[in-house]
Amino acid sequence: GAVVSQHPSWVICKSGTSVKIECRSLDFQATTMFWYRQFPKQSLMLMATSNEGSKATYEQGVEKDKFLINHASLTLSTLTVTSAHPEDSSFYICSALRNEQFFGPGTRLTVL
Amino acid sequence: GEDVEQSLFLSVREGDSSVINCTYTDSSSTYLYWYKQEPGAGLQLLTYIFSNKDMKQDQRLTVLLNKKDKHLSLRIADTQTGDSAIYFCAESRNTPLVFGKGTRLSVIA
Repeated sequence: GAVVSQHPSWVICKSGTSVKIECRSLDFQATTMFWYRQFPKQSLMLMATSNEGSKATYEQGVEKDKFLINHASLTLSTLTVTSAHPEDSSFYICSALRNEQFFGPGTRLTVL
Repeated sequence: GEDVEQSLFLSVREGDSSVINCTYTDSSSTYLYWYKQEPGAGLQLLTYIFSNKDMKQDQRLTVLLNKKDKHLSLRIADTQTGDSAIYFCAESRNTPLVFGKGTRLSVIA
């Protein structure tokens, strides 16, 4: 099956710094990738749809200036959490679309 | 109310069957999915069913869909300790998925 990787798996950063999370489709090209956020004991909430070569589409309530998404190639989308704060601590999961969505293993972000 | 609802917890004995239930609201959903999430990990697609079907079986997994009641269930036969995880149902509206909050399945040896 299709493989999607994320890097890093976990990251701890200080408040006010920016963190970049990468999502890669390893064995297929994906023009569309999705970024989800999961709070503890909560469901996954779609943050944005990332389209290769164009601007991401953000869900209502998600700040596009805070969560910067770049989908510069058919195998890579990045999510940058700018000026991170403790409330941004969460589990971020990406997926890549090829007929169905294939999910990455997730990135746990902890902001101190 | 929530778009996709699931009970939060289920506990079963090893070897018994587990049944995880889900209700959804969007009658235009084309596919309905079951995902498994182990601690600290991403999502693993277990199975899915197209909305014009009412049942799908895949080894130990049986999915039942009642489209009239918008009710979806996942039955795991001969539940094993390795089945302990959180199970999410999700409906597909166009492409993005809408997830339930997940059902935490605990298997007692």
